[in-house]
Amino acid sequence: DTAVSQTPKYLVTQMGNDKSIKCEQNLGHDTMYWYKQDSKKFLKIMFSYNNKELIINETVPNRFSPKSPDKAHLNLHINSLELGDSAVYFCASSGRAEPEAFFGQGTRLTVV
Amino acid sequence: GQNIDQPTEMTATEGAIVQINCTYQTSGFNGLFWYQQHAGEAPTFLSYNVLDGLEEKGRFSSFLSRSKGYSYLLLKELQMKDSASYLCASRGYSSASKIIFGSGTRLSIRP
Repeated sequence: DTAVSQTPKYLVTQMGNDKSIKCEQNLGHDTMYWYKQDSKKFLKIMFSYNNKELIINETVPNRFSPKSPDKAHLNLHINSLELGDSAVYFCASSGRAEPEAFFGQGTRLTVV
Repeated sequence: GQNIDQPTEMTATEGAIVQINCTYQTSGFNGLFWYQQHAGEAPTFLSYNVLDGLEEKGRFSSFLSRSKGYSYLLLKELQMKDSASYLCASRGYSSASKIIFGSGTRLSIRP
């Protein structure tokens, strides 16, 4: 009964490749997020979607393109991967009844 | 904008009490969160304060002063498993607003 699930958990790829990370939540939440946690453990917001609409884009390079086919899914596609993209990417969701964000287990992306 | 400050590292002894402070500056405030994150895992929700005062939940308590832009997380009867990072986070006014995290406080518990 995973509330927020993201796949894959680990992703190792070469520079220049294109990759996607998928996220799904079964909590009925309206808002979904992508966060990036770098090696210094700083958790930084990248995008936020509310009811499939993009509401926050924190000056993320346009190589990163989120897509929300419905309010239960928020996928992240990354083009032309760079070494600096190596990090753990967390998907999260929140709803009106529960103000806190619930996080997926994270995807550790390593670009070599 | 939003800015959150908390100490980078703290150490405490098993069985003791520790207080982790957080100061924040936000344009439009709608709540202060504390999360716990063990190494290699996702952050998990601990507490939420939207009004001034103390919220107690078992061994953990969280305090908020909106006028001072200040919060703390109090952990009592520390256990070794409490060794983790503790993240302070704030949310803007709208329910769809982003949740901004501080850099986290890495707490180490010694026997």
